[in-house]
Amino acid sequence: SAVISQKPSRDICQRGTSLTIQCQVDSQVTMMFWYRQQPGQSLTLIATANQGSEATYESGFVIDKFPISRPNLTFSTLTVSNMSPEDSSIYLCSVEEGYTEAFFGQGTRLTVV
Amino acid sequence: KQEVTQIPAALSVPEGENLVLNCSFTDSAIYNLQWFRQDPGKGLTSLLLIQSSQREQTSGRLNASLDKSSGRSTLYIAASQPGDSATYLCAVRPSFDSNYQLIWGAGTKLIIKP
Repeated sequence: SAVISQKPSRDICQRGTSLTIQCQVDSQVTMMFWYRQQPGQSLTLIATANQGSEATYESGFVIDKFPISRPNLTFSTLTVSNMSPEDSSIYLCSVEEGYTEAFFGQGTRLTVV
Repeated sequence: KQEVTQIPAALSVPEGENLVLNCSFTDSAIYNLQWFRQDPGKGLTSLLLIQSSQREQTSGRLNASLDKSSGRSTLYIAASQPGDSATYLCAVRPSFDSNYQLIWGAGTKLIIKP
């Protein structure tokens, strides 16, 4: 199973600022995903991070708000830009290989004040 | 469109009891189903993965079953312990969705009372 390190584990940020979340995997993986989990809700997929190409965003999420980098097969970052209190959520990095088992990082608990 | 439902939304039981968590899905055309555990404010831990051709999977005190024809999966926890307290999520991967993305249930919040 893949081991995923996600940083930071939590942060409190001022509105209008940006936060970059890092996701490091202990092995090379093709598919990496970023999810958002709003308080009391289930997971919502933000985007699929593709190595060597632009991320693929789900409906309701745009690159200007959530820019993603995927410089290699073991690392990705998600930036939450121009934050507002509505962005307060848990952000989760996930990896899969070939539509099999999904593995998650420890999550980043973001509070925007 | 595939939908995943988990009932009950919350469950509180005394320590030592055997319990069953339910996950139902509307379309039987699935590739696999996965159960996860989430502690408050944390990420997800994969518990069990059941492929569409399998009927059940076991790991320690956990047993997950899959009945595609009825659109149901159950997670059985034997001899529950306070450390089992968490939210349990199930996710289904559709067979014929072009993205094969996971479809998530809302979770069951489990509290095991000492």
